[in-house]
Amino acid sequence: GENVEQHPSTLSVQEGDSAVIKCTYSDSASNYFPWYKQELGKGPQLIIDIRSNVGEKKDQRIAVTLNKTAKHFSLHITETQPEDSAVYFCAASKGQAGTALIFGKGTTLSVSS
Amino acid sequence: DGGITQSPKYLFRKEGQNVTLSCEQNLNHDAMYWYRQDPGQGLRLIYYSQIVNDFQKGDIAEGYSVSREKKESFPLTVTSAQKNPTAFYLCASSIVAHSNQPQHFGDGTRLSIL
Repeated sequence: GENVEQHPSTLSVQEGDSAVIKCTYSDSASNYFPWYKQELGKGPQLIIDIRSNVGEKKDQRIAVTLNKTAKHFSLHITETQPEDSAVYFCAASKGQAGTALIFGKGTTLSVSS
Repeated sequence: DGGITQSPKYLFRKEGQNVTLSCEQNLNHDAMYWYRQDPGQGLRLIYYSQIVNDFQKGDIAEGYSVSREKKESFPLTVTSAQKNPTAFYLCASSIVAHSNQPQHFGDGTRLSIL
């Protein structure tokens, strides 16, 4: 079955720096890749997603890139702010009915001012 | 506001006791999901339901049961057969059951053993 590896497990940056989180997946049939942000004591919130027919997607300070050949995708956060501090999860799925999202183990991002 | 409501926020279980976690959504979504989250781990799928009166086991269904009698509600029962129930439980929903549709999460229930 699908396996998603996420790196790094922790990431500390200074306010204003960029942060990059990388995920690799094993199933070449996967075609949907969402990213979630989870704040302490809350449920994950979808922040951006990408489908396999595009290589990059941007939403203000957040971007996701996808390399289907290498089977990896990355989250890029520019001009980080203290409120970006949270746990970020990547996930992958084949997009078929009855198949699940497979999540990475998460990255704890700390942005210090 | 539309969303997913999980209750209670904190729950304590005695040994040998069954407990039920509530999940209600007013998003008019067909599909609903239950995940378990352990410290330092990703989310693992317990059960999911594509439509009313239908549900399927996920990766870690042993010791859990669900029902889907109404579109809005998908309660999870943690039975005494679940030997390690201490975890953060998350309910989610999506407009349809295809896993390439965005899933929206509630704020979770934290279950602990007394």
